Amino acid sequence: DQQVKQNSPSLSVQEGRISILNCDYTNSMFDYFLWYKKYPAEGPTFLISISSIKDKNEDGRFTVFLNKSAKHLSLHIVPSQPGDSAVYFCAASGGNYGQNFVFGPGTRLSVLP
Amino acid sequence: GEEVAQTPKHLVRGEGQKAKLYCAPIKGHSYVFWYQQVLKNEFKFLISFQNENVFDETGMPKERFSAKCLPNSPCSLEIQATKLEDSAVYFCASSQSTARYNEQFFGPGTRLTVL
Repeated sequence: DQQVKQNSPSLSVQEGRISILNCDYTNSMFDYFLWYKKYPAEGPTFLISISSIKDKNEDGRFTVFLNKSAKHLSLHIVPSQPGDSAVYFCAASGGNYGQNFVFGPGTRLSVLP
Repeated sequence: GEEVAQTPKHLVRGEGQKAKLYCAPIKGHSYVFWYQQVLKNEFKFLISFQNENVFDETGMPKERFSAKCLPNSPCSLEIQATKLEDSAVYFCASSQSTARYNEQFFGPGTRLTVL
């Protein structure tokens, strides 16, 4: 029973354009969400987070949007750069999971020069 | 150190053998987390520690898996009598606290292959 879903296993975007990565969750008790970025042979690194009291959080080229009624969040990267090519994991916490994160399966982003 | 260190990078074991993985958290971080990633799928939480005390072990398989974080030693995750399905990348992460707003810093992982 996958509580955090990333339905697109992969995404290709042209350099300079916008990348939009999507994440859906089923547990309405989740109230804190994060995006992690992972390069091959490395551990995930934290990218950006959002609390359920907000619907948007921005950090440079990265913006996360949260739609609580739809149980959906998205990560926007503008403009996309070749160095952004990585696997992006959405993670959620809250409810019975407390401080533990529940991760989605990841989306592989390829930014083409 | 400034990074979470995990050893070894790769570990190959025959089915039924023991596997032991190590993790050195970032200096000053009190919390350590272990995750299992099978076949590049989502990370499954296994166990967390607050210093040397188990904080949450709800993800740990009841049999064969054990973990420790002893003072002045790397944390360890041990699998007795490995099975084929234990093949995965095991990630360790550390944080200053378990508060959700505290970022977890991940190590590079140990790839366990059970043959």
